[in-house]
Amino acid sequence: QSVLTQPPSVSGAPGQRVTISCSGSSSNLGAGYDAHWYQQLPGTAPKLLIYANSKRPSGVPDRFSGSKSGTSASLAITGLQAEDEADYYCQSFDSTLSGSHVVFGGGTKVTVL
Amino acid sequence: QVQLQESGPGLVKPSETLSLTCSVSGGSISSYYWNWIRQSPGKGLEWIAYMYYSGTTNYNPSLKSRVTISVDPSKNQVSLTLRSVTAADTAVYYCARRAAAGRNFDHWGQGTLVTVSS
Repeated sequence: QSVLTQPPSVSGAPGQRVTISCSGSSSNLGAGYDAHWYQQLPGTAPKLLIYANSKRPSGVPDRFSGSKSGTSASLAITGLQAEDEADYYCQSFDSTLSGSHVVFGGGTKVTVL
Repeated sequence: QVQLQESGPGLVKPSETLSLTCSVSGGSISSYYWNWIRQSPGKGLEWIAYMYYSGTTNYNPSLKSRVTISVDPSKNQVSLTLRSVTAADTAVYYCARRAAAGRNFDHWGQGTLVTVSS
């Protein structure tokens, strides 16, 4: 059971727009911690896709965008391409009695139809 | 360009200790948080621990009793020790860098698969 909740899968046809949600709580996203997103292509290590809710690292296409509101964040992929078929993970921090710790969402598999 | 490379035994017996090393090249260990993250086969990402180069550590509460992370600035290496392993610890183990100013992981190693089996 992940602290951040993502849908297990989303799909879309090439060229379409898909969104992936990341639902948290008052101890993580709602506490002001940023959401970060990673793309994991099959058989490879995760790659930073979006950081600080909506910023793109150099080299990431502007087809990828992120947003955050309250206790939720979302990743949008516009103009879906075959090469976008991958697993996507959101990440943040969570505050507990034992301190703040890194947390990930369970991951969302994007399928290009 | 910073590169991270994990190394360690691919097979560990149940109840034994797993030791992994992450070698950092193309950059200094200083001023960064160094993390270990794992991914069980077919599953999601699980953060294990981090260590700031100056010595501050933070552990996943669910693993804290069995994990030790350390950094050797002289060798530009980060190490992970996981004690009393079981089959549930079978996973790809990643080393990842986090900038002091941010709370995201901007560089990852390729990962190393560790199987716990007799």
